[in-house]
Amino acid sequence: AQSVTQLGSHVSVSEGALVLLRCNYSSSVPPYLFWYVQYPNQGLQLLLKYTTGATLVKGINGFEAEFKKSETSFHLTKPSAHMSDAAEYFCAVNPLGTYKYIFGTGTRLKVLA
Amino acid sequence: DAMVIQNPRYQVTQFGKPVTLSCSQTLNHNVMYWYQQKSSQAPKLLFHYYDKDFNNEADTPDNFQSRRPNTSFCFLDIRSPGLGDAAMYLCATSSGGQGNQPQHFGDGTRLSIL
Repeated sequence: AQSVTQLGSHVSVSEGALVLLRCNYSSSVPPYLFWYVQYPNQGLQLLLKYTTGATLVKGINGFEAEFKKSETSFHLTKPSAHMSDAAEYFCAVNPLGTYKYIFGTGTRLKVLA
Repeated sequence: DAMVIQNPRYQVTQFGKPVTLSCSQTLNHNVMYWYQQKSSQAPKLLFHYYDKDFNNEADTPDNFQSRRPNTSFCFLDIRSPGLGDAAMYLCATSSGGQGNQPQHFGDGTRLSIL
């Protein structure tokens, strides 16, 4: 069965530092890949997605992610963290041909002043 | 703006007293989902509709039911809430197809059980 692994349930970075949140999927066939952000007491908001084409995907709020098939990874990065980036981040996959989404366990990002 | 709206945002009910949560969408999406999310956990899929076709997850308790009277609305009914049902309930939609489109989420209903 398809699964998603997010390494690090909590990540802390200093304001202005690089943000790196890790996501690995298990599938011999690359699925569709998504990153969502969730602020307290809100729903999930799409940051970016990879379906086909360019493997470096740019999203909202300065985030980007790179699809690496050889590493079955889809890590999320942002060059310079801002205090407003503090939130929970979820990686999700959609196995090809379905409309069910599988979520990772989430990574809580803390940004230190 | 097209969106997914959940009402109410906060719901308090008594142990064992039935409660209904509602979700509406203006996106005209085929698929609607209900998730349960507990603190610091990933959303857990309860069930979803593709149009009127209902799909229940195998581990969703019988206590949870859903209705989708039309494309725009979907309801989550909890027949006899227990303390363990206190959680955030998220509604989401997607256009379906091959799954290459993202889900759109409402802001959730936080359910408390007294």
